[in-house]
Amino acid sequence: EDQVTQSPEALRLQEGESSSLNCSYTVSGLRGLFWYRQDPGKGPEFLFTLYSAGEEKEKERLKATLTKKESFLHITAPKPEDSATYLCAVQATNAGKSTFGDGTTLTVKP
Amino acid sequence: DAGVIQSPRHEVTEMGQEVTLRCKPISGHNSLFWYRQTMMRGLELLIYFNNNVPIDDSGMPEDRFSAKMPNASFSTLKIQPSEPRDSAVYFCASSLKGYSNQPQHFGDGTRLSIL
Repeated sequence: EDQVTQSPEALRLQEGESSSLNCSYTVSGLRGLFWYRQDPGKGPEFLFTLYSAGEEKEKERLKATLTKKESFLHITAPKPEDSATYLCAVQATNAGKSTFGDGTTLTVKP
Repeated sequence: DAGVIQSPRHEVTEMGQEVTLRCKPISGHNSLFWYRQTMMRGLELLIYFNNNVPIDDSGMPEDRFSAKMPNASFSTLKIQPSEPRDSAVYFCASSLKGYSNQPQHFGDGTRLSIL
Protein backbone atom coordinates (compact mmCIF):
# COMPACT_ATOMS: atom_id res chain seq x y z
CA GLU A 1 0.00 0.00 0.00
CA ASP A 2 1.28 3.46 -0.94
CA GLN A 3 2.17 5.67 2.02
CA VAL A 4 3.09 9.33 2.44
CA THR A 5 4.42 10.85 5.67
CA GLN A 6 5.01 14.58 6.02
CA SER A 7 7.10 16.30 8.68
CA PRO A 8 6.97 18.39 10.67
CA GLU A 9 3.22 18.66 11.29
CA ALA A 10 3.62 22.38 11.98
CA LEU A 11 6.44 24.86 11.39
CA ARG A 12 6.70 28.42 12.63
CA LEU A 13 9.29 30.69 11.01
CA GLN A 14 10.25 34.30 11.21
CA GLU A 15 10.05 36.23 7.98
CA GLY A 16 13.27 35.61 6.06
CA GLU A 17 14.15 32.43 7.97
CA SER A 18 14.67 29.67 5.37
CA SER A 19 13.69 26.06 6.06
CA SER A 20 12.54 22.79 4.48
CA LEU A 21 9.48 20.56 4.64
CA ASN A 22 9.85 16.81 4.25
CA CYS A 23 7.69 14.25 2.43
CA SER A 24 8.71 10.60 2.82
CA TYR A 25 6.98 8.07 0.62
CA THR A 26 6.72 4.40 -0.24
CA VAL A 27 5.15 3.49 -3.54
CA SER A 28 5.31 0.56 -5.92
CA GLY A 29 6.76 2.48 -8.83
CA LEU A 30 6.46 6.28 -8.86
CA ARG A 31 4.54 7.92 -11.67
CA GLY A 32 4.64 11.36 -10.05
CA LEU A 33 5.00 13.25 -6.77
CA PHE A 34 2.88 16.36 -6.34
CA TRP A 35 3.11 19.35 -4.01
CA TYR A 36 0.02 21.41 -3.23
CA ARG A 37 -0.63 24.51 -1.15
CA GLN A 38 -3.88 24.87 0.81
CA ASP A 39 -5.10 28.15 2.29
CA PRO A 40 -7.83 28.21 4.96
CA GLY A 41 -11.29 27.82 3.45
CA LYS A 42 -9.88 26.87 0.05
CA GLY A 43 -9.11 23.71 -1.88
CA PRO A 44 -5.53 22.52 -2.42
CA GLU A 45 -3.74 24.42 -5.18
CA PHE A 46 -1.24 22.60 -7.37
CA LEU A 47 2.40 23.74 -7.11
CA PHE A 48 4.77 21.17 -8.64
CA THR A 49 5.04 17.71 -10.16
CA LEU A 50 8.29 15.74 -9.83
CA TYR A 51 8.77 12.58 -11.86
CA SER A 52 12.18 11.07 -11.10
CA ALA A 53 14.96 11.15 -8.53
CA GLY A 54 17.28 14.11 -8.91
CA GLU A 55 14.63 16.36 -10.41
CA GLU A 56 14.14 19.89 -9.05
CA LYS A 57 11.42 22.48 -9.69
CA GLU A 58 11.34 26.13 -8.57
CA LYS A 59 8.65 28.77 -8.22
CA GLU A 60 9.41 32.08 -6.56
CA ARG A 61 10.67 31.28 -3.03
CA LEU A 62 9.85 27.56 -3.30
CA LYS A 63 12.05 24.76 -4.59
CA ALA A 64 11.01 21.10 -4.64
CA THR A 65 13.50 18.25 -4.86
CA LEU A 66 13.07 14.48 -5.16
CA THR A 67 15.03 11.39 -4.15
CA LYS A 68 13.96 7.74 -4.35
CA LYS A 69 12.49 7.88 -0.85
CA GLU A 70 11.58 11.49 -0.10
CA SER A 71 10.92 14.95 -1.38
CA PHE A 72 11.79 18.28 0.16
CA LEU A 73 10.06 21.61 -0.27
CA HIS A 74 12.66 24.29 0.43
CA ILE A 75 11.38 27.74 1.33
CA THR A 76 13.92 30.53 0.93
CA ALA A 77 13.44 33.83 2.78
CA PRO A 78 9.73 33.18 3.41
CA LYS A 79 7.17 35.95 3.71
CA PRO A 80 3.94 35.97 5.75
CA GLU A 81 1.95 35.28 2.57
CA ASP A 82 3.69 31.89 2.32
CA SER A 83 1.74 30.80 5.41
CA ALA A 84 -0.44 27.84 4.40
CA THR A 85 -0.69 24.07 4.68
CA TYR A 86 1.55 22.25 2.19
CA LEU A 87 0.40 18.83 1.02
CA CYS A 88 2.43 16.13 -0.71
CA ALA A 89 0.88 13.36 -2.80
CA VAL A 90 2.22 10.40 -4.78
CA GLN A 91 0.77 8.49 -7.68
CA ALA A 92 1.93 4.96 -8.46
CA THR A 93 2.51 3.81 -12.02
CA ASN A 94 -0.44 1.41 -11.90
CA ALA A 95 -2.87 3.76 -10.16
CA GLY A 96 -5.42 6.28 -11.32
CA LYS A 97 -5.47 8.04 -7.96
CA SER A 98 -3.02 9.83 -5.66
CA THR A 99 -2.20 9.16 -2.01
CA PHE A 100 -1.97 12.34 0.09
CA GLY A 101 0.03 13.06 3.22
CA ASP A 102 -1.46 14.89 6.19
CA GLY A 103 0.36 18.11 5.37
CA THR A 104 2.67 20.60 7.07
CA THR A 105 1.13 23.81 8.35
CA LEU A 106 3.57 26.66 7.86
CA THR A 107 3.23 29.95 9.73
CA VAL A 108 5.55 32.82 8.84
CA LYS A 109 5.64 35.68 11.35
CA PRO A 110 6.55 39.21 10.23
CA ASP B 1 -10.38 29.72 -17.16
CA ALA B 2 -13.08 28.38 -14.89
CA GLY B 3 -11.83 26.00 -12.27
CA VAL B 4 -13.70 23.19 -10.55
CA ILE B 5 -17.02 24.53 -9.31
CA GLN B 6 -18.72 23.09 -6.24
CA SER B 7 -22.09 23.89 -4.75
CA PRO B 8 -23.27 24.68 -2.22
CA ARG B 9 -20.28 26.23 -0.42
CA HIS B 10 -21.90 25.69 2.94
CA GLU B 11 -24.65 23.32 4.04
CA VAL B 12 -26.20 23.02 7.48
CA THR B 13 -28.89 20.42 7.96
CA GLU B 14 -30.38 18.17 10.58
CA MET B 15 -29.50 14.56 11.16
CA GLY B 16 -31.49 12.20 8.97
CA GLN B 17 -31.91 14.61 6.08
CA GLU B 18 -30.66 13.89 2.57
CA VAL B 19 -27.68 15.97 1.44
CA THR B 20 -26.62 16.42 -2.18
CA LEU B 21 -23.29 17.98 -3.09
CA ARG B 22 -22.60 19.05 -6.66
CA CYS B 23 -19.47 19.40 -8.78
CA LYS B 24 -18.67 20.73 -12.23
CA PRO B 25 -15.17 19.65 -13.31
CA ILE B 26 -12.86 21.60 -15.58
CA SER B 27 -13.91 21.23 -19.21
CA GLY B 28 -11.85 18.57 -20.98
CA HIS B 29 -10.81 16.78 -17.80
CA ASN B 30 -11.81 13.13 -17.80
CA SER B 31 -11.03 12.10 -14.22
CA LEU B 32 -13.05 13.28 -11.24
CA PHE B 33 -12.39 12.71 -7.54
CA TRP B 34 -14.44 13.22 -4.37
CA TYR B 35 -12.56 13.78 -1.10
CA ARG B 36 -13.52 14.42 2.50
CA GLN B 37 -11.26 16.48 4.79
CA THR B 38 -11.35 16.57 8.58
CA MET B 39 -8.82 17.57 11.22
CA MET B 40 -8.68 14.03 12.54
CA ARG B 41 -8.36 12.09 9.28
CA GLY B 42 -6.91 14.60 6.83
CA LEU B 43 -7.81 14.33 3.15
CA GLU B 44 -9.56 11.04 2.35
CA LEU B 45 -10.41 9.87 -1.15
CA LEU B 46 -14.02 8.69 -1.28
CA ILE B 47 -14.45 7.74 -4.93
CA TYR B 48 -13.07 8.55 -8.33
CA PHE B 49 -14.38 8.38 -11.89
CA ASN B 50 -12.59 7.97 -15.18
CA ASN B 51 -14.57 8.90 -18.30
CA ASN B 52 -17.73 9.10 -16.15
CA VAL B 53 -17.29 5.51 -14.90
CA PRO B 54 -16.69 4.84 -11.18
CA ILE B 55 -13.30 3.18 -10.87
CA ASP B 56 -12.67 2.92 -7.13
CA ASP B 57 -15.28 3.53 -4.44
CA SER B 58 -13.41 1.75 -1.65
CA GLY B 59 -13.21 4.98 0.32
CA MET B 60 -16.96 5.49 0.52
CA PRO B 61 -17.71 5.13 4.24
CA GLU B 62 -20.91 3.13 3.99
CA ASP B 63 -24.07 2.61 1.99
CA ARG B 64 -25.42 5.97 3.07
CA PHE B 65 -23.00 7.56 0.60
CA SER B 66 -23.50 7.41 -3.16
CA ALA B 67 -21.95 9.25 -6.10
CA LYS B 68 -22.95 9.63 -9.71
CA MET B 69 -21.47 11.17 -12.82
CA PRO B 70 -24.21 11.27 -15.46
CA ASN B 71 -22.06 13.20 -17.93
CA ALA B 72 -18.59 14.68 -18.31
CA SER B 73 -19.57 18.04 -16.83
CA PHE B 74 -21.46 17.10 -13.68
CA SER B 75 -21.18 14.88 -10.62
CA THR B 76 -23.09 14.51 -7.36
CA LEU B 77 -22.26 13.07 -3.96
CA LYS B 78 -25.31 12.15 -1.93
CA ILE B 79 -25.61 11.27 1.76
CA GLN B 80 -28.87 9.69 2.88
CA PRO B 81 -29.58 9.68 5.77
CA SER B 82 -26.99 12.13 7.07
CA GLU B 83 -25.38 11.79 10.51
CA PRO B 84 -23.40 14.26 12.67
CA ARG B 85 -20.16 12.30 12.01
CA ASP B 86 -20.51 13.19 8.32
CA SER B 87 -19.68 16.80 9.16
CA ALA B 88 -16.56 17.73 7.17
CA VAL B 89 -15.37 19.66 4.15
CA TYR B 90 -16.03 17.78 0.93
CA PHE B 91 -13.81 18.51 -2.06
CA CYS B 92 -14.21 17.66 -5.70
CA ALA B 93 -11.14 17.56 -7.97
CA SER B 94 -10.57 16.84 -11.63
CA SER B 95 -7.54 15.97 -13.74
CA LEU B 96 -6.81 16.03 -17.42
CA LYS B 97 -6.19 12.36 -17.94
CA GLY B 98 -6.60 9.35 -15.71
CA TYR B 99 -3.73 6.95 -15.08
CA SER B 100 -1.23 9.66 -15.95
CA ASN B 101 1.00 12.10 -14.08
CA GLN B 102 -1.40 15.00 -14.44
CA PRO B 103 -2.09 16.91 -11.21
CA GLN B 104 -5.54 17.25 -9.72
CA HIS B 105 -7.31 20.60 -9.63
CA PHE B 106 -9.56 21.14 -6.63
CA GLY B 107 -12.70 23.14 -6.04
CA ASP B 108 -13.08 25.24 -2.92
CA GLY B 109 -15.17 22.60 -1.22
CA THR B 110 -18.52 22.28 0.53
CA ARG B 111 -18.46 22.75 4.29
CA LEU B 112 -21.09 20.37 5.62
CA SER B 113 -22.48 20.54 9.14
CA ILE B 114 -24.97 17.92 10.31
CA LEU B 115 -26.76 18.91 13.52
